[in-house]
Amino acid sequence: AQSVTQLDSQVPVFEEAPVELRCNYSSSVSVYLFWYVQYPNQGLQLLLKYLSGSTLVKGINGFEAEFNKSQTSFHLRKPSVHISDTAEYFCAVRPYSSASKIIFGSGTRLSIRP
Amino acid sequence: NAGVTQTPKFRILKIGQSMTLQCTQDMNHNYMYWYRQDPGMGLKLIYYSVGAGITDKGEVPNGYNVSRSTTEDFPLRLELAAPSQTSVYFCASSYDDIGEQYFGPGTRLTVT
Repeated sequence: AQSVTQLDSQVPVFEEAPVELRCNYSSSVSVYLFWYVQYPNQGLQLLLKYLSGSTLVKGINGFEAEFNKSQTSFHLRKPSVHISDTAEYFCAVRPYSSASKIIFGSGTRLSIRP
Repeated sequence: NAGVTQTPKFRILKIGQSMTLQCTQDMNHNYMYWYRQDPGMGLKLIYYSVGAGITDKGEVPNGYNVSRSTTEDFPLRLELAAPSQTSVYFCASSYDDIGEQYFGPGTRLTVT
């Protein structure tokens, strides 16, 4: 079985400051890893995904994430945030073998202060 | 392309009533999914489909049914609504099982 832990339920950050949203997972099998963003009253949108290869993954809107297999982490980072980044961010994992077993974390609410 | 559309946007049901949440995609995607999102929680997969005529259970299928008679449509049926089914329901689709999932805007359902 897989599980996902997003360590911070809320992260307040000043505009133009860097941010890191943390995600740890556990799994007995190899997994794909995803970060999704949810803007208020909208569905989720894919930010980036790790399937294989380079452990540093770049996504949309200037976000990137690094897969660390030894620490079973997939933290999301952005060097300088904007007001428009205010949203909820979800980490998700899925085993190679089954689309039905995707597991989402409980989310991190990113709030940007001017 | 409209992407993934869901109807209705909001619905209030009484306990024991039934309803169907509609989901349609116009991207010719093979895979479609239904999720529920409870307050302060991540999404949980209810059912998914890998193509017309093929459906399978996700993590939380109890109390729900689905069908996939066409590539475009993937309705979710609640037969006997219960307060525990109060949630926001999202439909999504993807071209294949590791492709990006495209989400609809959601249906907010309250059962009282």
